[in-house]
Amino acid sequence: EAGVAQSPRYKIIEKRQSVAFWCNPISGHATLYWYQQILGQGPKLLIQFQNNGVVDDSQLPKDRFSAERLKGVDSTLKIQPAKLEDSAVYLCASSPHSSGRPSTDTQYFGPGTRLTVL
Amino acid sequence: LAKTTQPISMDSYEGQEVNITCSHNNIATNDYITWYQQFPSQGPRFIIQGYKTKVTNEVASLFIPADRKSSTLSLPRVSLSDTAVYYCLVGDARPRNAGNNRKLIWGLGTSLAVNP
Repeated sequence: EAGVAQSPRYKIIEKRQSVAFWCNPISGHATLYWYQQILGQGPKLLIQFQNNGVVDDSQLPKDRFSAERLKGVDSTLKIQPAKLEDSAVYLCASSPHSSGRPSTDTQYFGPGTRLTVL
Repeated sequence: LAKTTQPISMDSYEGQEVNITCSHNNIATNDYITWYQQFPSQGPRFIIQGYKTKVTNEVASLFIPADRKSSTLSLPRVSLSDTAVYYCLVGDARPRNAGNNRKLIWGLGTSLAVNP
């Protein structure tokens, strides 16, 4: 079974520039997550999709971050314009969760995209 | 939101059993306890999940006391390759539109160093 794919793996930009990350979840997984992980910290959820609808974007800085999940499959996360504090690893995860049962759901993570903002 | 507390770091030696305890005093009835492992430059990887008592798989065991206010991840006979950060998560990952807001919160994790 193919895992979660992310690209690019690394990106270096200057502040105020724009950047986009792409994620291809595991086939058939209904739920897709984008996380931001700053060095030395745990992942912070930015946005959660259930199929192509947004379930939770409460921690997404909407003035500069946007995300979409077209046709309930691939997803892109965009930052425009980037700030120095956006330097982090951006992780995409997917899970097969599609029911209303309490969580027995496992999240499968991609390798992440390491963003450096200069 | 379910807050967890775990040691920041632990040291061990190859072949030893390692137990990492996580405190989650405000765990709710529908919350599950999940542990993930993360190696440098990789995304986290699911290790084990449980609701009560004891769960065991080919990688680890998870011990949960009756009050569920803590849990212990047990790694038998660790090797150098078990050096990683281990995260304890408590929550109920049902979608928010199901009226549930006990989403999973990731803390700082426990950095385990296994020495030769």
